[in-house]
Amino acid sequence: DAGVIQSPRHEVTEMGQEVTLRCKPISGHDYLFWYRQTMMRGLELLIYFNNNVPIDDSGMPEDRFSAKMPNASFSTLKIQPSEPRDSAVYFCASSLKGRRYGYTFGSGTRLTVV
Amino acid sequence: DQQVKQNSPSLSVQEGRISILNCDYTNSMFDYFLWYKKYPAEGPTFLISISSIKDKNEDGRFTVFLNKSAKHLSLHIVPSQPGDSAVYFCAASGGRTMDTGRRALTFGSGTRLQVQP
Repeated sequence: DAGVIQSPRHEVTEMGQEVTLRCKPISGHDYLFWYRQTMMRGLELLIYFNNNVPIDDSGMPEDRFSAKMPNASFSTLKIQPSEPRDSAVYFCASSLKGRRYGYTFGSGTRLTVV
Repeated sequence: DQQVKQNSPSLSVQEGRISILNCDYTNSMFDYFLWYKKYPAEGPTFLISISSIKDKNEDGRFTVFLNKSAKHLSLHIVPSQPGDSAVYFCAASGGRTMDTGRRALTFGSGTRLQVQP
């Protein structure tokens, strides 16, 4: 298995532009998580899905952020409009129910908003 | 409100010596704890975990200790190797019960370990 695949690896955009981050989870995993890493706050949970259904989006910072999972093999995280404070590394992770030894993370998308 | 805290942003040790990384938590509902390791430009990878019914779990050079009364856990690496140089994240599960029975992990801010040759 190729693992969790995220694209793009790097994204530089201007303030006010729309940004879409993409994630392909491991086949068969029924949970998908979006995390954001910053120096100050470490890894923050933004939202997670179970069987393509959003379960908890309380970590989504503002209405500018939205996430979808149209099918079991694809998820997007969209920021519209983007702001400089959104600059961070965004990670997607997937896991199987009952496997308590953790999640499999993708390599992340480094977002820079200028 | 950070429920999982790693108060040391960095740690430097000599090769062959012991590395001790610390983590504190505030939510008494947490019942499962994990350590992740992260290299630059990669995602975090699972390292070791411990359930709240135990106070120690060992896997090769890595041992995690849990002190529930103090709400504290630590990761010991013995002996430390240069390849262990990475950022280590502490994570905890519990405190939020999901309808589906799983709980999302809450992570700390990480500790950067540097092992000097």
